[in-house]
Amino acid sequence: AQTVTQSQPEMSVQEAETVTLSCTYDTSESDYYLFWYKQPPSRQMILVIRQEAYKQQNATENRFSVNFQKAAKSFSLKISDSQLGDAAMYFCAIIIQGAQKLVFGQGTRLTINP
Amino acid sequence: EAQVTQNPRYLITVTGKKLTVTCSQNMNHEYMSWYRQDPGLGLRQIYYSMNVEVTDKGDVPEGYKVSRKEKRNFPLILESPSPNQTSLYFCASSFFLGGATSGANVLTFGAGSRLTVL
Repeated sequence: AQTVTQSQPEMSVQEAETVTLSCTYDTSESDYYLFWYKQPPSRQMILVIRQEAYKQQNATENRFSVNFQKAAKSFSLKISDSQLGDAAMYFCAIIIQGAQKLVFGQGTRLTINP
Repeated sequence: EAQVTQNPRYLITVTGKKLTVTCSQNMNHEYMSWYRQDPGLGLRQIYYSMNVEVTDKGDVPEGYKVSRKEKRNFPLILESPSPNQTSLYFCASSFFLGGATSGANVLTFGAGSRLTVL
């Protein structure tokens, strides 16, 4: 079975600074995909970024980038130039190729201080 | 607009009173799923469906039922709700899950249904 661990229940950062959210996972499979979802106060689940395990290059989406360390089973999210609208709960998730569910971490609540 | 619609968004009910949370998607997705979100536990899958009349249990199916009679609809039924089913519920859909590209594994989520069982 797969597990995802987000060891930081809460994080805070000053506006315009950079913050990194941690995520580690455990799986014995070799083909899988990793995701970061954002959940703002509206509760909507919004896909932030995704990474294929077979790709060595780290995914980036504007101010969001990941540090994917496959051997260490680590998938951290870096948010650059933090904005007030980045305040949300962030979830890390994994899906194994051929599986029928995403497995989520516990979530990290990110606060942006003006 | 492509979306997953859940109703109701908020519900307070009492123990034992049957309720249904509806879920509908307009994207012709094959795959649909229900998750519940609880503090400190993240989201956990309740049930999923790979197509019409094809459903299967997720990680926490106890106390829930589902049906998939039409492709667009996937209701979640609580026959006899209990307080431990107080949670935030999400319906999600995708063309396909478990495929060989990350795009095949992107879920579109509904806006969530906050359920309180007294």
